[in-house]
Amino acid sequence: GEDVEQSLFLSVREGDSSVINCTYTDSSSTYLYWYKQEPGAGLQLLTYIFSNMDMKQDQRLTVLLNKKDKHLSLRIADTQTGDSAIYFCAESRGDDKIIFGKGTRLHILP
Amino acid sequence: DAGVTQSPTHLIKTRGQQVTLRCSPKSGHDTVSWYQQALGQGPQFIFQYYEEEERQRGNFPDRFSGHQFPNYSSELNVNALLLGDSALYLCASLVQGGSNTEAFFGQGTRLTVV
Repeated sequence: GEDVEQSLFLSVREGDSSVINCTYTDSSSTYLYWYKQEPGAGLQLLTYIFSNMDMKQDQRLTVLLNKKDKHLSLRIADTQTGDSAIYFCAESRGDDKIIFGKGTRLHILP
Repeated sequence: DAGVTQSPTHLIKTRGQQVTLRCSPKSGHDTVSWYQQALGQGPQFIFQYYEEEERQRGNFPDRFSGHQFPNYSSELNVNALLLGDSALYLCASLVQGGSNTEAFFGQGTRLTVV
């Protein structure tokens, strides 16, 4: 089946690291994604990882993939107030439909 | 390049009515996918159009139909609107044969059914 699960809320103090976790079920997924959605806005692709990779780092973002456990995580270093948003974990095969989780709302504490 | 543009941005309709939403893909993109995002949920795939034909379809009833024009723009039509059709409708464009890593999403159309 196709399912992506993630926790709904996360509160983090400004300057700390945020870690958002996700599990998925489709073992044939070729791409795993993290999207960001700010209030009233569309979806912004933050980063992605190909299924044969374990880790990808892009500035403050680190993506870890455990393919055996079908677990994906996004770490945001030095979390800022501008990082406050909903983060969606997603997966797809090539240009096939994207399957999204319900989103994790990241709240930044001062 | 304006990216992916959707119109209208907001729309209010009455139960039982029909609605048409529009999407212009990013320049150079030939494939359009539509997603429905209900409040508090992640986007759900409705269908994808390429070469003016429906290429893939998600788990949505036949009340949801679409069209793609020769210039690659697309329309989403919903007939016999239900209150549960209230959602943000997102359009994404990409190049057929590429990957969703190159897909761009529009800002969406917020549909409210009353």
